[in-house]
Amino acid sequence: DAGVTQSPTHLIKTRGQQVTLRCSPISGHKSVSWYQQVLGQGPQFIFQYYEKEERGRGNFPDRFSARQFPNYSSELNVNALLLGDSALYLCASSLVGRTSGKTDTQYFGPGTRLTVL
Amino acid sequence: GQQLNQSPQSMFIQEGEDVSMNCTSSSIFNTWLWYKQDPGEGPVLLIALYKAGELTSNGRLTAQFGITRKDSFLNISASIPSDVGIYFCAGQSKETSGSRLTFGEGTQLTVNP
Repeated sequence: DAGVTQSPTHLIKTRGQQVTLRCSPISGHKSVSWYQQVLGQGPQFIFQYYEKEERGRGNFPDRFSARQFPNYSSELNVNALLLGDSALYLCASSLVGRTSGKTDTQYFGPGTRLTVL
Repeated sequence: GQQLNQSPQSMFIQEGEDVSMNCTSSSIFNTWLWYKQDPGEGPVLLIALYKAGELTSNGRLTAQFGITRKDSFLNISASIPSDVGIYFCAGQSKETSGSRLTFGEGTQLTVNP
């Protein structure tokens, strides 16, 4: 079975541009979460979606937005890119979208490496 | 907000040695998870812990969910070169909406053959 897939794998943008990152969850999983990982740090939570509804939002500016589609895939959008947005963006999927034990164990994709110049 | 303190930050060991790393938090977590991340890749789940006091093994890896629900440790026995990587602890709390993970800062493990 395919794991979590993300596209693109790498992306280079310039300041002020906009970017869209894509994620497909594991088959049967209905929740997708997005994390930002800056070099040398642990991942930081950005958003969680379950059944197309936002279930949580981390401490990120409104330049960051996301959505989930009927097939449970998801997009993360970042507007007005800053140099500090350069990071590995990780997508994780789980069966459900609440802390309920094994059914909410999160599995990560390979990430999208975003570089902002 | 919630924070996880993970230690040590880095470890340099010889092949065959045992390794221990831990995470502590000022907040209670309902689930503790341990992930391993190789350069340029996403974190891979190693062990998940769902009950306070739970001790779980996965091959040479053993992890425990602390009784206070504010800490967890991961042990690796008889280390091998492919154990090299960054190990992260992560917690989930019912106090936050959804099931976001809070991560530690990671432990960089180097294994010398």
